[in-house]
Amino acid sequence: AQKITQTQPGMFVQEKEAVTLDCTYDTSDPSYGLFWYKQPSSGEMIFLIYQGSYDQQNATEGRYSLNFQKARKSANLVISASQLGDSAMYFCAMTLNYGGATNKLIFGTGTLLAVQP
Amino acid sequence: DTGVSQDPRHKITKRGQNVTFRCDPISEHNRLYWYRQTLGQGPEFLTYFQNEAQLEKSRLLSDRFSAERPKGSFSTLEIQRTEQGDSAMYLCASSSRGLGSNEQFFGPGTRLTVL
Repeated sequence: AQKITQTQPGMFVQEKEAVTLDCTYDTSDPSYGLFWYKQPSSGEMIFLIYQGSYDQQNATEGRYSLNFQKARKSANLVISASQLGDSAMYFCAMTLNYGGATNKLIFGTGTLLAVQP
Repeated sequence: DTGVSQDPRHKITKRGQNVTFRCDPISEHNRLYWYRQTLGQGPEFLTYFQNEAQLEKSRLLSDRFSAERPKGSFSTLEIQRTEQGDSAMYLCASSSRGLGSNEQFFGPGTRLTVL
């Protein structure tokens, strides 16, 4: 069975500093995708970044980058130059990407990030 | 507005009552998902539609839950004989199968409180 583990319930970071949110995953399927979503206190889920299991390079989207280490089954999110608006819950998630898969998202328990001025 | 919409945003009901939620996906998206999120947890998959066909249901979806997607457009999620344990945020997401990340776009959710 697929599983996502986020071991950091909460993190503090100073404004303008970088922060790494940890995520490890477990699957025996070779084709999968890894996602990070942000959930502010308002509740909506905001897509941040995606990494496919066959992608050779780590994904980047603006201030977000995904540190993908396939052998270690980790997909950590790095946020550079933190801003006050980055304060939110962050979820790591995965899908299976084989043909016929439903691509349902399997989420971790999340990490609450607080950016301090 | 071209995003995923959900209605209502909040629902308070008494135990034993039936409730129905609606989700309108992004118009060109053929895939629709329902998730449930309880306090302090990540969302959990409930069910999946591809067009009008319901192709997967989680074991979380008891017999009191039913979901439909007539004509492959909007979807409804009905909970019969609500229980206090049904209190949660119900999230709908849609996506389009194709090249790329298969990103799922989420709606704002319906927060259900069962008294």
